[in-house]
Amino acid sequence: IAGITQAPTSQILAAGRRMTLRCTQDMRHNAMYWYRQDLGLGLRLIHYSNTAGTTGKGEVPDGYSVSRANTDDFPLTLASAVPSQTSVYFCASSETVTDTQYFGPGTRLTVL
Amino acid sequence: GQNIDQPTEMTATEGAIVQINCTYQTSGFNGLFWYQQHAGEAPTFLSYNVLDGLEEKGRFSSFLSRSKGYSYLLLKELQMKDSASYLCAVSDSNYQLIWGAGTKLIIKP
Repeated sequence: IAGITQAPTSQILAAGRRMTLRCTQDMRHNAMYWYRQDLGLGLRLIHYSNTAGTTGKGEVPDGYSVSRANTDDFPLTLASAVPSQTSVYFCASSETVTDTQYFGPGTRLTVL
Repeated sequence: GQNIDQPTEMTATEGAIVQINCTYQTSGFNGLFWYQQHAGEAPTFLSYNVLDGLEEKGRFSSFLSRSKGYSYLLLKELQMKDSASYLCAVSDSNYQLIWGAGTKLIIKP
């Protein structure tokens, strides 16, 4: 079934630990995105990739890094987690940057 | 700065009609999206407007006025399953989506 998968579904993490959130899509979309969603706030863009091999910074990139080695995968890494990174993280993809974005099921991350 | 405003919460009755408004101020405009998000789930695409006017898709319609920086989502014949948050997002000059905080719609029997 075509779509976007994310892993893990949820995670509790100690502050200071390193964590990678995984995102894979099988729609051959060129563009991929990472958002965080916090209560009372709109989705905020962390990083994006317009095409494989390129990445860019969004609105809230500090403390996060991404890579885009191929079309399908777009992992998000927290180098040293802090409690303010507690959030729900959504990965999304679109055929190109001008097209509709489709979302993965999300990862609920708690940093203690 | 860039800003998207929509009401925090609305309540409506099953079978009725509800209109959810969205106003925006962004650097550039390349279209406006509406998404539906049920609690604990991912946002799902509902509609896209780039030209002024009304786009109808079944029970859902979306309207855009670019000169007023205004859009609304109209939901007809409300069903209990329409209880969800509705997110307004504008594609800016860099084709990045700027999101509103969402409107939580509560449907009462």
